[in-house]
Amino acid sequence: GQNIDQPTEMTATEGAIVQINCTYQTSGFNGLFWYQQHAGEAPTFLSYNVLDGLEEKGRFSSFLSRSKGYSYLLLKELQMKDSASYLCAVRDDNYQLIWGAGTKLIIKP
Amino acid sequence: TAGITQAPTSQILAAGRSMTLRCTQDMRHNAMYWYRQDLGLGLRLIHYSNTAGTTGKGEVPDGYSVSRANTDDFPLTLASAVPSQTSVYFCASSTGTSGEDTQYFGPGTRLTVL
Repeated sequence: GQNIDQPTEMTATEGAIVQINCTYQTSGFNGLFWYQQHAGEAPTFLSYNVLDGLEEKGRFSSFLSRSKGYSYLLLKELQMKDSASYLCAVRDDNYQLIWGAGTKLIIKP
Repeated sequence: TAGITQAPTSQILAAGRSMTLRCTQDMRHNAMYWYRQDLGLGLRLIHYSNTAGTTGKGEVPDGYSVSRANTDDFPLTLASAVPSQTSVYFCASSTGTSGEDTQYFGPGTRLTVL
């Protein structure tokens, strides 16, 4: 079967750095996405990785290792508005997205 | 630009009744998708459409039907609602081309079936 694993919940302090991990086992791989979802809102796109390595976008970075079936999202200089769920999704051989259940990130002052 | 709109925002429905969830996009995207999101589970694909006139089944299609008469609209119909269809429903769209093909989501419809 296909599986995306993420921690259910994480807590971090404002101004700090947090790393959210995602491991996957899917039938094929055609890219990995990270989305942010605030409570009661729609998911919004954060990043896309298809090759191994680190992609940086301002305070957010995403890393991919295809051989390990592993990705992480790194959030720096945390702000209270970063409190949200972070969703990892992998595009499989059928070109459909397989989604993890999401990681709820709680930011404390 | 509106992007993707969904209607209604929320709905309470009696079991056995039918309902159509509406989704419209103004980005001229070829591909559209319907997902449901339940607590503790990832988004699950119900149906999708790669282009106007074509539809396909996703992971959880039973009890749902879709149509794609034109590029902009992708309605989802529940013919006879059951309580297990209580969920938040998201419509999404993408260009449908190769490469990144990021999906963009509508605001969602919260459906309660009693």
